[in-house]
Amino acid sequence: EAGVTQFPSHSVIEKGQTVTLRCDPISGHDNLYWYRRVMGKEIKFLLHFVKESKQDESGMPNNRFLAERTGGTYSTLKVQPAELEDSGVYFCASSPQQGIYGYTFGSGTRLTVV
Amino acid sequence: AQSVTQPDIHITVSEGASLELRCNYSYGATPYLFWYVQSPGQGLQLLLKYFSGDTLVQGIKGFEAEFKRSQSSFNLRKPSVHWSDAAEYFCAVGPSGGYNKLIFGAGTRLAVHP
Repeated sequence: EAGVTQFPSHSVIEKGQTVTLRCDPISGHDNLYWYRRVMGKEIKFLLHFVKESKQDESGMPNNRFLAERTGGTYSTLKVQPAELEDSGVYFCASSPQQGIYGYTFGSGTRLTVV
Repeated sequence: AQSVTQPDIHITVSEGASLELRCNYSYGATPYLFWYVQSPGQGLQLLLKYFSGDTLVQGIKGFEAEFKRSQSSFNLRKPSVHWSDAAEYFCAVGPSGGYNKLIFGAGTRLAVHP
């Protein structure tokens, strides 16, 4: 089966611009998660979707970040406007059921804000 | 506060040598414990996990980890390192009971010398 796909793999944007990251989960996985790793620090949870609904968005850093999951399939994470501190690697993961048994991570999107 | 500490940011070993990567956690309840690996250009891959039972857990690629409740540790070991093990390793904890959010350490980058 195809894995979790994220694109772009890399993005370089200027401060103040908008960037949209996309994640395609494994087909049939209702649960989708976004994590972020900033500058060699810990990987931190951002939010969790169950189908198209946000189950937990406690890790979203501020209102410049907007996540959507239209129709419960792929998800997008938009950063508008981007700031320098948003640079990092954004990971997406999916699982077929709630719980942490079956996380599959994508390869991440490396975002650089200059 | 819940946290995961990986004390070693970088480790260098010779090929064929043994390896131990340290992980300590602070958690209020019985955690689920994980080790992930990220090779260059790849996503986070699950090496092994501990939920309950035998405190010595076997994983993929010849890795094992031992859960020591008294020390709040979950160290990763491999008896003989291969050059292909060069990667970044992440320890993570999550709550038991089927919740969804993982807490990661900052990672340990492993270099392997021939």
